[in-house]
Amino acid sequence: AQTVTQSQPEMSVQEAETVTLSCTYDTSESDYYLFWYKQPPSRQMILVIRQEAYKQQNATENRFSVNFQKAAKSFSLKISDSQLGDAAMYFCAYRSEGAQKLVFGQGTRLTINP
Amino acid sequence: DAGVIQSPRHEVTEMGQEVTLRCKPISGHDYLFWYRQTMMRGLELLIYFNNNVPIDDSGMPEDRFSAKMPNASFSTLKIQPSEPRDSAVYFCASSHRQGGWETQYFGPGTRLLVL
Repeated sequence: AQTVTQSQPEMSVQEAETVTLSCTYDTSESDYYLFWYKQPPSRQMILVIRQEAYKQQNATENRFSVNFQKAAKSFSLKISDSQLGDAAMYFCAYRSEGAQKLVFGQGTRLTINP
Repeated sequence: DAGVIQSPRHEVTEMGQEVTLRCKPISGHDYLFWYRQTMMRGLELLIYFNNNVPIDDSGMPEDRFSAKMPNASFSTLKIQPSEPRDSAVYFCASSHRQGGWETQYFGPGTRLLVL
């Protein structure tokens, strides 16, 4: 079974700085999808960014980008120019090709210091 | 377009009572998922439907839990009888294949407290 590990329970960063959240996963599959979701205090799960495993190019969405290292099974999220609104729990998730189930990591709580 | 709608947003009930959580998926989405989030177990998939048919209910904790999807725009998750250990946030999510992607969009969740 696939597992997703987020080794940083908490992270903090100064406003306007850059922060990187770590995620590793364990799988024997070659085709899959990876996601980062954000959960602010409102509890709403919001999709931040997604990556197909067959694509070597790292996904980017405005201030959010990923560093996808397939061989190392690593999928980190970089947030540039951190803003107060970025404060939230961040969850890394894995989905197999052809499957529907999302496997989530334990989450990382990100604090933005003004 | 409205997102996934869940009701109620908060529910407080006493042990032994029946609890019904409701979900309206995004129009046009053919997959619907029910998740539970707790501090101890994190986010876990309970059950999902495709075109109103339950596909995988292996995450449903026990017979006290049941889920239905009578039509494409409505689903319920029922707990009967409820127990304090059922206290959690329950999320509904829906998805649809578009451009090779099936991304799950989540509702706001229902925070359930069983006393």
